[in-house]
Amino acid sequence: DGGITQSPKYLFRKEGQNVTLSCEQNLNHDAMYWYRQDPGQGLRLIYYSQIVNDFQKGDIAEGYSVSREKKESFPLTVTSAQKNPTAFYLCASSTGDRKNSPLHFGNGTRLTVT
Amino acid sequence: AQSVAQPEDQVNVAEGNPLTVKCTYSVSGNPYLFWYVQYPNRGLQFLLKYITGDNLVKGSYGFEAEFNKSQTSFHLKKPSALVSDSALYFCAVRDNTGKLIFGQGTTLQVKP
Repeated sequence: DGGITQSPKYLFRKEGQNVTLSCEQNLNHDAMYWYRQDPGQGLRLIYYSQIVNDFQKGDIAEGYSVSREKKESFPLTVTSAQKNPTAFYLCASSTGDRKNSPLHFGNGTRLTVT
Repeated sequence: AQSVAQPEDQVNVAEGNPLTVKCTYSVSGNPYLFWYVQYPNRGLQFLLKYITGDNLVKGSYGFEAEFNKSQTSFHLKKPSALVSDSALYFCAVRDNTGKLIFGQGTTLQVKP
């Protein structure tokens, strides 16, 4: 079945450590996205990529980095510069940036930093 | 700037009753509107979208949404709620760059 796989489901890190969240899709989608979800704040866009080897900052990119070396993969690194990294992180993809294309989401990674 | 508002943090309905989850939007140009549902500790699932055409859009699991241009609203509806419909619902709109902007979400609680 086609879909988006995020791993791991739960991740625990100590403050000051960088951590990388995995996102893989086999939908042959061009565009991929990272969102952060906090209670009561909906989803906020961190980074997005519309094509391989290109990506743009979203609304809350500070403290995060991404790469898009392959169409299928869009890993997110949460760096030690991110002040409040504990959150639920969602990866999504869509067929390019056409406005009528819905996003398909993975099941998320819950990151806890102590 | 494009934006989406979901004025209710929580909606409570009895099983079998009709449900409405409200959404209003602000966008320049033609709106591209979406509804998603999220179950606990899961990703978002696409329910339905409005691009153009009929103001009543039908989607998954018996849900539908009514687009009202004059009121800039896109309310989610279902004629008869199920306990299994209890979840977090998000309305979203595409902005001019193609990014999806989400509302803050509405928790739907359906009681037996």
